[in-house]
Amino acid sequence: DTEVTQTPKHLVMGMTNKKSLKCEQHMGHRAMYWYKQKAKKPPELMFVYSYEKLSINESVPSRFSPECPNSSLLNLHLHALQPEDSALYLCASSPTGLAGNPDTQYFGPGTRLTVL
Amino acid sequence: TQLLEQSPQFLSIQEGENLTVYCNSSSVFSSLQWYRQEPGEGPVLLVTVVTGGEVKKLKRLTFQFGDARKDSSLHITAAQPGDTGLYLCAGVPIKAAGNKLTFGGGTRVLVKP
Repeated sequence: DTEVTQTPKHLVMGMTNKKSLKCEQHMGHRAMYWYKQKAKKPPELMFVYSYEKLSINESVPSRFSPECPNSSLLNLHLHALQPEDSALYLCASSPTGLAGNPDTQYFGPGTRLTVL
Repeated sequence: TQLLEQSPQFLSIQEGENLTVYCNSSSVFSSLQWYRQEPGEGPVLLVTVVTGGEVKKLKRLTFQFGDARKDSSLHITAAQPGDTGLYLCAGVPIKAAGNKLTFGGGTRVLVKP
């Protein structure tokens, strides 16, 4: 099973709303990732958790707040977003998240976020 | 300049034709992945190549990793409309800290029936 699941599939929110994106994997992977993808562009990394610790934050604005409750779950809490934050948000997981070894990332189907 | 350069950016071909997508870098990668992505969906892993000179086949798709592990190619034989999508190469440079995946710019493939 190489499945990463994400909910919701679509989300529309206002600039004053608070919402959360959820991601889950049951492959026993110890690294999980959030990416943001704009139309016709490759995914851009936002955050990496490795062994449930935040290991990379790509200078993401604080209106995006990641959380890793356990090794299978990853959340992205959203608050006071801007219309330019509208994008496809992708979750991924990989076995370790450690450098130096091939560590293939598997992606979820994404959440299409629209900020009004 | 992107760390991983993909070419071409767009390819439109007729069903039954062959196509090749290239992914080039001046950096060495520990491995490279190829993904296919459809609109509004997440990238789906096609293959991971690890060893320099490696060739992997997945039905009509052939993937090659350069001897120096700086480049890769994807060749599709007798393309079908179902091969339409955005093809992304991605990898972690061998000198990178952590597992930060670098993506190529993508190749949009359209196979017309």
